[in-house]
Amino acid sequence: QSVLTQPPSVSAAPGQKVTISCSGSSSNIGNNYVSWYQQFPGTAPKLLIYDNNKRPSGIPDRFSGSKSGTSATLGITGLQTGDEADYYCGTWDSSLSSGVFGGGTKLTVL
Amino acid sequence: EVQLLESGGGLVQPGGSLRLSCAASGFTFSSYAMNWVRQAPGKGLEWVSGLSGSGSHTYYADSVKGRFTISRDNSKNTLYLQMSSLRGEDTAVYFCARGASGSSSLDLWGQGTLVTVSS
Repeated sequence: QSVLTQPPSVSAAPGQKVTISCSGSSSNIGNNYVSWYQQFPGTAPKLLIYDNNKRPSGIPDRFSGSKSGTSATLGITGLQTGDEADYYCGTWDSSLSSGVFGGGTKLTVL
Repeated sequence: EVQLLESGGGLVQPGGSLRLSCAASGFTFSSYAMNWVRQAPGKGLEWVSGLSGSGSHTYYADSVKGRFTISRDNSKNTLYLQMSSLRGEDTAVYFCARGASGSSSLDLWGQGTLVTVSS
């Protein structure tokens, strides 16, 4: 049981937009920055979004992040088949004094 | 090249010990917090442990507290995870990951090393 809650899967057609939600509490998302990671099978995760809505160098602006209260959202526009991957949200939990991740969301581009 | 390279994984019996290493290169290692994150087969990411750039502050997930010890040798640009009293549920790929400067995000990941706990 993950501290952060994500939908197990989402799907959309190529060219469309999809959002992935991440729900937490005041001890984690509510008072700390959220980051998002992309992971392809058999590879290491890659940072996609940091500090709620910032993109590292090299990440296309098709990827966006937002946060409101104790929830965060990853948005992906102009979906491509190459976006099919697992996506994880993560943050710090001030009560646990530990990092926490969501359970992950598998994106399928139909 | 900026990279992290883990080593030390393998097969260990329940109750046994193992030490993982993560060699860093291409950046000023001592300036960054470092973390270990694991992923059990077919499962999601689980944060395991982290420590500050100086090594003076350490943090652990409840699931490993008292059994795992994180440390670093800044003179060797290397991060360690000493694991003891290993259990079957510790079986996972273990990634080391760099804490981004001024952020709680993890901006650089190694390729991972597999730890299998089984008799």
